[in-house]
Amino acid sequence: GNSVTQMEGPVTLSEEAFLTINCTYTATGYPSLFWYVQYPGEGLQLLLKATKADDKGSNKGFEATYRKETTSFHLEKGSVQVSDSAVYFCAPTLYNTDKLIFGTGTRLQVFP
Amino acid sequence: DVKVTQSSRYLVKRTGEKVFLECVQDMDHENMFWYRQDPGLGLRLIYFSYDVKMKEKGDIPEGYSVSREKKERFSLILESASTNQTSMYLCASSLTKSSSPLHFGNGTRLTVT
Repeated sequence: GNSVTQMEGPVTLSEEAFLTINCTYTATGYPSLFWYVQYPGEGLQLLLKATKADDKGSNKGFEATYRKETTSFHLEKGSVQVSDSAVYFCAPTLYNTDKLIFGTGTRLQVFP
Repeated sequence: DVKVTQSSRYLVKRTGEKVFLECVQDMDHENMFWYRQDPGLGLRLIYFSYDVKMKEKGDIPEGYSVSREKKERFSLILESASTNQTSMYLCASSLTKSSSPLHFGNGTRLTVT
């Protein structure tokens, strides 16, 4: 069936460190892929997306590349800030639907 | 910007009460969704709707129902609240295309005592 696996958190980093949050999925067909971010006390916000193989989504210094051959969509940022502390969710769409399936989320904590 | 508004931020109800969670979106989106968010479980889809007066079950519909009488409003109903329905409830909307992102409300934290 369709599923998504994210690395477990929390991920704890110092400011300006490099970030990678792994995400792999199993899905029928070619899903659209999304990363969402949830800041404390808020709902989820779209961070970036990619809709076809080899597409790179980017926003606020974060990047993720749609890797069809490895069914992965890893999130990266070259230099994290304290304000990036949040929970990050990877979410592919189900085949031919408007439904997303969400990973369990990865909490990122950045310390000064 | 799309705005998805959930009527209550915090709600405390007693076991057995009927509970209504309201959600309104202002961007004429066709799709609307209700999720619950629990630690370690991520987001789980309860119900969704692709059009007015239509609804479909998500992954965990038991104990819930929904109503969509108008395009902009999608209500989640707990017919008889139970303690295991204590959770964060998130409403979201999107356009019809599968590449369209979801827009979320800020959530309603429901506690059932």
